Amino acid sequence: EAQVTQNPRYLITVTGKKLTVTCSQNMNHEYMSWYRQDPGLGLRQIYYSMNVEVTDKGDVPEGYKVSRKEKRNFPLILESPSPNQTSLYFCASKSDGETAFFGQGTRLTVV
Amino acid sequence: KQEVTQIPAALSVPEGENLVLNCSFTDSAIYNLQWFRQDPGKGLTSLLLIQSSQREQTSGRLNASLDKSSGRSTLYIAASQPGDSATYLCAVTSSQGGSEKLVFGKGTKLTVNP
Repeated sequence: EAQVTQNPRYLITVTGKKLTVTCSQNMNHEYMSWYRQDPGLGLRQIYYSMNVEVTDKGDVPEGYKVSRKEKRNFPLILESPSPNQTSLYFCASKSDGETAFFGQGTRLTVV
Repeated sequence: KQEVTQIPAALSVPEGENLVLNCSFTDSAIYNLQWFRQDPGKGLTSLLLIQSSQREQTSGRLNASLDKSSGRSTLYIAASQPGDSATYLCAVTSSQGGSEKLVFGKGTKLTVNP
């Protein structure tokens, strides 16, 4: 089954404690991206990757890092989380011109 | 910068009614447009994808149209059911650094009352 898998689904952490949200896709897609979804602001792109070892900033990259060492994986790293990064996060993958597939989301709370 | 607007922000209808959700975008240079469904606290499920060269796509009770020149798309839902209650998101795919970028509207929250 074609899918994008994110882990964890829910996470509560404290300010400044480094965390990683994993994302994996099984469709051999070149393009992967991370979004955050906030009430009233909609979905905003954090980072994207066009292929292995190729990443670039989206609209709201501050406070986040990513890596793309393998085609299937695209982890999101928060080196020093802050309360304003409390949000619902989505990973997505697609091939050019095709439907985008989304993970089930990670609800992050930073206290 | 591409901007996507969805109207209305919320819609409540009785079961069985036909309805239309609207989406507009500011830059007509798009590759395609997608409609997604999002249930509360869940991920996004793709409903329909319309390529920039197409005018419409249909899937079951859903029909999506695209008028690229005017920057508009509509999602038509026929004979609505309570199970259709969800937030519907429109997204356009635009050029981004040699690849493609999805730009989302803020969604229309649909409630279908039994």
